[in-house]
Amino acid sequence: QKEVEQDPGPLSVPEGAIVSLNCTYSNSAFQYFMWYRQYSRKGPELLMYTYSSGNKEDGRFTAQVDKSSKYISLFIRDSQPSDSATYLCAMIYNNAGNMLTFGGGTRLMVKP
Amino acid sequence: DAGVTQSPTHLIKTRGQQVTLRCSPKSGHDTVSWYQQALGQGPQFIFQYYEEEERQRGNFPDRFSGHQFPNYSSELNVNALLLGDSALYLCASSPTFNNEQFFGPGTRLTVL
Repeated sequence: QKEVEQDPGPLSVPEGAIVSLNCTYSNSAFQYFMWYRQYSRKGPELLMYTYSSGNKEDGRFTAQVDKSSKYISLFIRDSQPSDSATYLCAMIYNNAGNMLTFGGGTRLMVKP
Repeated sequence: DAGVTQSPTHLIKTRGQQVTLRCSPKSGHDTVSWYQQALGQGPQFIFQYYEEEERQRGNFPDRFSGHQFPNYSSELNVNALLLGDSALYLCASSPTFNNEQFFGPGTRLTVL
């Protein structure tokens, strides 16, 4: 079993829809959580960084962390075709350097 | 402000050869991490360099080695290449003891 699980998709939604992307993890030692966006054949781009349970909002993006359930989510409001990409969740263990452990990524397609 | 840069963009090698990949971190960043991303998967941590020393290492064989220079740039060396080493190699940089890592565009290595 992988430490961080993510549905690979693809997830296809119409333009303007609210998108929900999720990751589950098995080790409660993960304390820091990130979401990256990766366009085809490009490097990952940091979208959100959180370290506490609850919600964090940045523009159309909201990151949610539930440490008791070992579950994190990324919501995208008013999705656009330019949001079509692979979304990767990543986590860092507490007090263990800052090595990122990634999920496998979810491919999102937003159709005009 | 230039972000993380990597060279070369693409590389084709044959089995048994050796390869060197290069990374320049974002301005103001002194920590460099390397990741391997196979097609359709999330990145996997190879190692991290800080103050010219390997600070943390993932589950990769000794064929993978690295170096960090006084200007914080870094190299990744892979010896005795295998077909399975074909992947996108990503470099990420961060400020000292900061969890937010910023990725370069990657070097796509193909081993024939």
